[in-house]
Amino acid sequence: QKEVEQNSGPLSVPEGAIASLNCTYSDRGSQSFFWYRQYSGKSPELIMFIYSNGDKEDGRFTAQLNKASQYVSLLIRDSQPSDSATYLCAVKGGFNKFYFGSGTKLNVKP
Amino acid sequence: GAGVSQTPSNKVTEKGKYVELRCDPISGHTALYWYRQSLGQGPEFLIYFQGTGAADDSGLPNDRFFAVRPEGSVSTLKIQRTERGDSAVYLCASSLLSGGNTDTQYFGPGTRLTVL
Repeated sequence: QKEVEQNSGPLSVPEGAIASLNCTYSDRGSQSFFWYRQYSGKSPELIMFIYSNGDKEDGRFTAQLNKASQYVSLLIRDSQPSDSATYLCAVKGGFNKFYFGSGTKLNVKP
Repeated sequence: GAGVSQTPSNKVTEKGKYVELRCDPISGHTALYWYRQSLGQGPEFLIYFQGTGAADDSGLPNDRFFAVRPEGSVSTLKIQRTERGDSAVYLCASSLLSGGNTDTQYFGPGTRLTVL
């Protein structure tokens, strides 16, 4: 079983819609959770992190964490074509080790 | 520099050759990570340094892979007797390692290794 699971997609949404990206993790002791965006041919760039149950908003992005269900999600409001990328979920486990999912590819259609 | 830098950006080598990949982390960042990313996959953990020492090298696939960070800053990933299966993008990341939940890692641009 992988440490971090994501649906590979692609997830297609129309411009202006809400994109919802999901991630589950296996280590119940995980404390910190991260979302990275990766454009094709580029390295991952941090969007936001969350470590408390509930929602955390940053501009058009909202991260949601449910530790009981071992579930993290990222909502992107008012999706733009420039949001088209692969979104990586990462979980920080013990001893400062990070585990990454395989990523969900998002396509925002104009 | 302002961010993590990696050199070279691209490396093409022949099967059996030795390669070195360099990473220069963000100034002051104690932790340094190496990952390998294949097409369509997320970054795969290789090794993590805390200061000069390798705190966790459990992700190194075999003894052909080795990494050093002698002065606690720049790190070099060394691959001996390269194989075609080593072809991937090698990513380096660094983090401050303040010990809190907000520790985040920042990635360099990566080195694309192609083994012919």
